[in-house]
Amino acid sequence: QKEVEQDPGPLSVPEGAIVSLNCTYSNSAFQYFMWYRQYSRKGPELLMYTYSSGNKEDGRFTAQVDKSSKYISLFIRDSQPSDSATYLCASQTGTASKLTFGTGTRLQVTL
Amino acid sequence: GAVVSQHPSRVICKSGTSVKIECRSLDFQATTMFWYRQFPKQSLMLMATSNEGSKATYEQGVEKDKFLINHASLTLSTLTVTSAHPEDSSFYICSASNRVGETQYFGPGTRLLVL
Repeated sequence: QKEVEQDPGPLSVPEGAIVSLNCTYSNSAFQYFMWYRQYSRKGPELLMYTYSSGNKEDGRFTAQVDKSSKYISLFIRDSQPSDSATYLCASQTGTASKLTFGTGTRLQVTL
Repeated sequence: GAVVSQHPSRVICKSGTSVKIECRSLDFQATTMFWYRQFPKQSLMLMATSNEGSKATYEQGVEKDKFLINHASLTLSTLTVTSAHPEDSSFYICSASNRVGETQYFGPGTRLLVL
């Protein structure tokens, strides 16, 4: 079993839809949780990071972490074609420690 | 926001030559930097972790004599692929962790093609 599980998709939604991306993890020692967006042939771009459980909102993006169920979510409101990319969830146990990634979910937002 | 740059963005070299890739944190000091490799349609694979002023820690299966990492300052780490071969062709990405270490910021990546 992988430490971080993520549905690879692809996930296709119409423009304007609310997108829900999810990951589950098995390592109870994970403390920091991130979401990255990666366009083809580019490095990952940090969207959100959270410490421990809770919600965090930034513009159209909301990240949720539920440590009791080991569940990580990213919601994208009013999705745009420019949101089409691969979304990676990642976790780390402590500060400056290595990241454990999910496999990434490929999202396609259609006109 | 935190910006990490990589140079070059693309490099083509002949088999047997060495290639150096630079990773710089532009607006913050990075005590820890990471080097990843990514194959098409796959997730990132961590190669090594480097801390400023000390030797890099390599992941299992990564040849330290093949992939030389230097982290000489708080804003610069370099990866040198020595005696490159076609199987070393890949997308190499660095990331930097700031002093707080709560997350990592990634560079744009370097595409290496070895002929």
